[in-house]
Amino acid sequence: GAGVSQSPSNKVTEKGKDVELRCDPISGHTALYWYRQRLGQGLEFLIYFQGNSAPDKSGLPSDRFSAERTGESVSTLTIQRTQQEDSAVYLCASSLGSGFYGYTFGSGTRLTVV
Amino acid sequence: GENVEQHPSTLSVQEGDSAVIKCTYSDSASNYFPWYKQELGKGPQLIIDIRSNVGEKKDQRIAVTLNKTAKHFSLHITETQPEDSAVYFCAASSGTGGGNKLTFGTGTQLKVEL
Repeated sequence: GAGVSQSPSNKVTEKGKDVELRCDPISGHTALYWYRQRLGQGLEFLIYFQGNSAPDKSGLPSDRFSAERTGESVSTLTIQRTQQEDSAVYLCASSLGSGFYGYTFGSGTRLTVV
Repeated sequence: GENVEQHPSTLSVQEGDSAVIKCTYSDSASNYFPWYKQELGKGPQLIIDIRSNVGEKKDQRIAVTLNKTAKHFSLHITETQPEDSAVYFCAASSGTGGGNKLTFGTGTQLKVEL
C-alpha cells in the first residue's frame, strides 16, 4: 500500500478485556516495529520483526503483551487483561530492512482503558 | 541501555526566525540519529537523519549537527514557517543485536507565531 495502515484508529475498552491492534506495513518493507506513546511522552519501543527471524521482544512491558507477524505481512499486537496504564497511542512503523533505514509510521491506534 | 534527553520541551519562535532543538545520548555505540516531526493526530514523519561518519547534514531549511565526542546532536530549522509547528523527536540507534531499534527523546513542541 501507499503507507502504513493501522486499525482501529481509536479503541475504548473496559479494564480486564483483551484488545487486538492491527498493522499493515508498506509492501516490500521487511522490518516492522511497534512503539507505545503515552500522553506528552516520547516513543517507547515494544517489539521488532525482521522477515522470518525471531522477533526482538525486549521492549514488551509484561507478559500481557504479545505480537505476531507472518512473514512480511500484517502484524497484530495483543494486550490481554488491559489495565488503565495501558492507555496510550500504539504506533506501528515499517522500514526497508534491518539497517539504518528511516521508519514510515502509521497514524496509530489510540487505546483508552476505562 | 541508551538514554536520550531532549531540550527544550517547548519552543516558540516568530515566523522567519531560526529554531534549534538539542539532544544528548548516553551510549557511545550509537551511530544513527534521525529526527521525526509529528503533527496532531498523525504518526511521526522522518525529516532528516545523520550517521556518525559525518558531522553535519543539510536539507533545504533543515540541518542536523553531530558531536560524537560530546555525545550530542542538534536540529536547526531556518526561516521558520507556520507549517513547521509540530512536535519534533530526536532518536538514537546503535544497531546492535540487529535491527534499527530507536530510543526517542521526549519531544519538543515547536510553535511558529505569525
